[in-house]
Amino acid sequence: GQQLNQSPQSMFIQEGEDVSMNCTSSSIFNTWLWYKQDPGEGPVLLIALYKAGELTSNGRLTAQFGITRKDSFLNISASIPSDVGIYFCARMNYGGSQGNLIFGKGTKLSVKP
Amino acid sequence: DAGITQSPRHKVTETGTPVTLRCHQTENHRYMYWYRQDPGHGLRLIHYSYGVKDTDKGEVSDGYSVSRSKTEDFLLTLESATSSQTSVYFCAISESFEPSDGYTFGSGTRLTVV
Repeated sequence: GQQLNQSPQSMFIQEGEDVSMNCTSSSIFNTWLWYKQDPGEGPVLLIALYKAGELTSNGRLTAQFGITRKDSFLNISASIPSDVGIYFCARMNYGGSQGNLIFGKGTKLSVKP
Repeated sequence: DAGITQSPRHKVTETGTPVTLRCHQTENHRYMYWYRQDPGHGLRLIHYSYGVKDTDKGEVSDGYSVSRSKTEDFLLTLESATSSQTSVYFCAISESFEPSDGYTFGSGTRLTVV
């Protein structure tokens, strides 16, 4: 129930293409977060979602909180070279003394050769 | 910048030696976290702290210990480094228990155990 399944694991983009990725789990959640990691850096928060069905945009990025509360989608429109990196979904995990963030394994975006 | 610094940025050490990684923040945030990142596994939580001297284990805590003697510093120690602990280690901070704006991450420490 704690695992987050991200797909695809990797993808190649050509400048100008739209990109879609998703994250699923067998458990329901109240919060979905999407992060991006540039090479050699730590992850940076892109979008946070708090309600089932919520659709939120951040520039060319759009993320949706699935209506079942078990999935989330991230779309990038008109991709540019600086979009390359690893995209992680994350959710809050409540256990132990406090909560913490659990991350998916990531979707790696690379530029088509 | 968010005011979070990890040191060292790179380290090579020998199997069996102790290693300490440092995370320093200037944001006065209560919560601090150590994650490791490995290919095919994403980011996995090692330990976290919810206040000075208050710490708890994460998903992959075996072989690691932590200490937080003051708000700004969170230390991760590998008592006896093994090759399986070769990884990139990230520290993160957050202001609240349920961070509505997520965590802020440091730039990472690349540790190689030979």
